Amino acid sequence: GAVVSQHPSRVICKSGTSVKIECRSLDFQATTMFWYRQFPKQSLMLMATSNEGSKATYEQGVEKDKFLINHASLTLSTLTVTSAHPEDSSFYICSAKNADSLRNQPQHFGDGTRLSIL
Amino acid sequence: AQTVTQSQPEMSVQEAETVTLSCTYDTSESNYYLFWYKQPPSRQMILVIRQEAYKQQNATENRFSVNFQKAAKSFSLKISDSQLGDTAMYFCAFMKHGSGNTGKLIFGQGTTLQVKP
Repeated sequence: GAVVSQHPSRVICKSGTSVKIECRSLDFQATTMFWYRQFPKQSLMLMATSNEGSKATYEQGVEKDKFLINHASLTLSTLTVTSAHPEDSSFYICSAKNADSLRNQPQHFGDGTRLSIL
Repeated sequence: AQTVTQSQPEMSVQEAETVTLSCTYDTSESNYYLFWYKQPPSRQMILVIRQEAYKQQNATENRFSVNFQKAAKSFSLKISDSQLGDTAMYFCAFMKHGSGNTGKLIFGQGTTLQVKP
């Protein structure tokens, strides 16, 4: 089945550090990837839609300069949390949509990244 | 705009029993998809079952089945013969159908299910 790899799975770093999270589709091409943030026992909140070769579409309230998204190839999207602070600590999940499949196939999710800012 | 509502934050069920998780949604779209995802303690998102809105027949996947009531905009998940491994958070999700679909999923708030031995 379709596999999405997300790396790293866990990050602990000091306040002020920038952190990059990678999301790779391993066996399919993904023109669209999605980045979610999830607080404990809460739902997934869509942060942005990442489109290959173009600018990401951010949801209302999400700071574009804080959460930089790059989707440079059909198999890789990255989320960079710039100058991270303790309030950015959360679980971040990516998902990818198969470009070759029927338009209405569901997304394939990565295993998530637990980010802890000290 | 579409919304998805799960009104049961937490539920519990005895092993081998049946449990139903509720989900309602609001949309002006006539064609769409509905999903149930499972998120166990590992936090991996696992697709449990999907339903196309244009299909009247309720979807089933082994012990999992849905009760899709389009007019009422209701999409409940029934888990039969509950197993300890079913313990997880369950999310109901909506996705538009058609050429305007970006693949964006709208999630409900989630229901935490505890299966007790």
